[in-house]
Amino acid sequence: SYVLTQPPSVSVAPGQTATITCGGNNIGVKSVHWYQQKPGQAPVLVVYDNSDRPSGIPERFSGSNSGNTATLTISRVEAGDEADYFCQVWDVSSDHWVFGGGTKLTVL
Amino acid sequence: EVQLVESGGDLLQPGGSLRLSCAASGFTFSDYWMHWVRQAPGEGLVWVSRISIDGRNTRYADSVKGRVTISRDNAKNTLYLQMNSLRAEDTAIYYCTRGRRGSNSLDYWGQGTLVTVSS
Repeated sequence: SYVLTQPPSVSVAPGQTATITCGGNNIGVKSVHWYQQKPGQAPVLVVYDNSDRPSGIPERFSGSNSGNTATLTISRVEAGDEADYFCQVWDVSSDHWVFGGGTKLTVL
Repeated sequence: EVQLVESGGDLLQPGGSLRLSCAASGFTFSDYWMHWVRQAPGEGLVWVSRISIDGRNTRYADSVKGRVTISRDNAKNTLYLQMNSLRAEDTAIYYCTRGRRGSNSLDYWGQGTLVTVSS
């Protein structure tokens, strides 16, 4: 089955830019989606179809996808962005939805 | 406002059965594919199952296939997950989620219901 690999943790100072990667075999041909999950809360979709944002999600959140790596970029990071972030794709060969292991973003 | 409210979580012994429900409101339920996603304590998200609009097309993760059945009642705006032969590794928060139209993303999530399997 398709595997998505994320770094366990990323740290960034307030006001800086956070970059969270999601690796997968030729992931660039898939649509990648990103979710934010704060402690004790349900996940929230922050980027879908590689780079689109749902209504209500700040423009600070952006995504890209190419080759074997998809990236979630959070600009001008705020304390409230501290959360776990998960990438997700649909694996056409198995018709399964697949999540990465998640990345804990710490705002220093 | 889109709302998904799960219920039915409980503490059960291994081998037990349980049916989870998800009451949907704020959107035309019968227009959307629906999913269940689970999260073990302190762990990541794991997709469990999905069901098509009319309920005829279903898919399951390998870890639950043969033990779990997803279904829906469009007249009642309700999604279900029947879980049988429960194992300790099924212990998790189970989230009901909506598939975004035209995308394979999951755009709305309920708050989840906790299933604990322990002797």
